[in-house]
Amino acid sequence: QQPVQSPQAVILREGEDAVINCSSSKALYSVHWYRQKHGEAPVFLMILLKGGEQKGHEKISASFNEKKQQSSLYLTASQLSYSGTYFCGSGVQGAQKLVFGQGTRLTINP
Amino acid sequence: NAGVTQTPKFRILKIGQSMTLQCAQDMNHNYMYWYRQDPGMGLKLIYYSVGAGITDKGEVPNGYNVSRSTTEDFPLRLELAAPSQTSVYFCASSDRGSGNTIYFGEGSWLTVV
Repeated sequence: QQPVQSPQAVILREGEDAVINCSSSKALYSVHWYRQKHGEAPVFLMILLKGGEQKGHEKISASFNEKKQQSSLYLTASQLSYSGTYFCGSGVQGAQKLVFGQGTRLTINP
Repeated sequence: NAGVTQTPKFRILKIGQSMTLQCAQDMNHNYMYWYRQDPGMGLKLIYYSVGAGITDKGEVPNGYNVSRSTTEDFPLRLELAAPSQTSVYFCASSDRGSGNTIYFGEGSWLTVV
C-alpha cells in the first residue's frame, strides 16, 4: 500500500535539475509532495488531485499520471535551499488517509 | 496561528512505562493523524480519525491507542513502552483528509530506555 519512491538519494551541484518518482500499486485518489529538513516537520509543497494534473511552485513542479498510478516531482535549476528529504504521499481509501513513501534524500552542493 | 500543537516535544521513558502524547488543532479540522518516523526512514501511519468519536488503525497500530472525544484533540497513548517505540511522532490534521493539505505539528521526540 505504501508508495515507492525512486531514486532513494540524489546528489547534485547547484543549478542542476532533478526528478523524483513516486508509484503506487493501488489506485490513487491524490498525490502529495512534502519536503523535510533534518530535525523538522515535513513541509507541504503541493497536492495533485486529478490524473494528468500538473502543478508548479517556483522552480518545483509535479505531474500525476492516474492511469500509471505515478507521480513525478521536478526540481529545476536547484538551489542550496532545496536540500532535504522529499516524500510523496498517496491518498487512498476514499481519501480518508495519506500514506507516505520511504523518501528521497536530495543533497545540493555548491 | 497555532495550527497543530504537540506536547511534549521531548520525553525519555523507561521500558514498561506508559505515557500520552497530546495533540490539539485549532483549525476545526475533522481529519487527524498520528505518524511515527524512525531515524532515516519515512512516515508510518499509526492511527487516524475522521471525526469526533471515530478512529481507525493505520499501518503500524500495535502498542498504541487513541481516542477522539472532541474535534480539537487527538491524544496518542503508549502502553508498556518498548525500545522499538523510540521514534519521532508527528500529529497532523486536514479538513478534507487526503483531498487537501495535511498540516503537521512540530513533532515529539520519544526515547525508550
